[in-house]
Amino acid sequence: ETGVTQTPRHLVMGMTNKKSLKCEQHLGHNAMYWYKQSAKKPLELMFVYNFKEQTENNSVPSRFSPECPNSSHLFLHLHTLQPEDSALYLCASSQDARDGEAGTGELFFGEGSRLTVL
Amino acid sequence: KQEVTQIPAALSVPEGENLVLNCSFTDSAIYNLQWFRQDPGKGLTSLLLIQSSQREQTSGRLNASLDKSSGRSTLYIAASQPGDSATYLCAVLSNFGNEKLTFGTGTRLTIIP
Repeated sequence: ETGVTQTPRHLVMGMTNKKSLKCEQHLGHNAMYWYKQSAKKPLELMFVYNFKEQTENNSVPSRFSPECPNSSHLFLHLHTLQPEDSALYLCASSQDARDGEAGTGELFFGEGSRLTVL
Repeated sequence: KQEVTQIPAALSVPEGENLVLNCSFTDSAIYNLQWFRQDPGKGLTSLLLIQSSQREQTSGRLNASLDKSSGRSTLYIAASQPGDSATYLCAVLSNFGNEKLTFGTGTRLTIIP
């Protein structure tokens, strides 16, 4: 059983729809991430939240909008997506060292949300 | 910019054999290196984490080594089993303080019964 839970596991949406992906971590970690995995490409980091603050946004198109209401929950809001956005979206969490706190940086992933944009 | 390479992209070996998967990275200033396994359509499962101060980590039939100076890590799998068939990815955490994990493209391993 994974300590990181993602819903939904599968999502099919049209280009004009608005949907959201949800991630919840039960590990007490202080950092959460969204990754995109497309066929035959390395995992691409999309967003990073450390201590609920967004610290990384790797030039992700604005049609992807992250939200981190607390250190255990992370959302990815989707609107007016393109077919090339079809991919496996993976959420991860880690305990990062900061301000003297111990942390290994080990990453734990959820099972992913398979998104298909028609 | 950190780049992580895994060669070969695919590997098939008979059941019972020992095998080695390779991972190389271009920038030796790393915080840690992590090996993952991914089954088709699933998320990533963490296998081993090696901190930059460590040379190797072991878990059951798995042993991962790290040589920062040469920019290389290996994952050794002993007595391979069909259940080991999966894609294995390595990832390097660079720039401690502004943590950024860089993934390789993975090696797809098939164990032939």
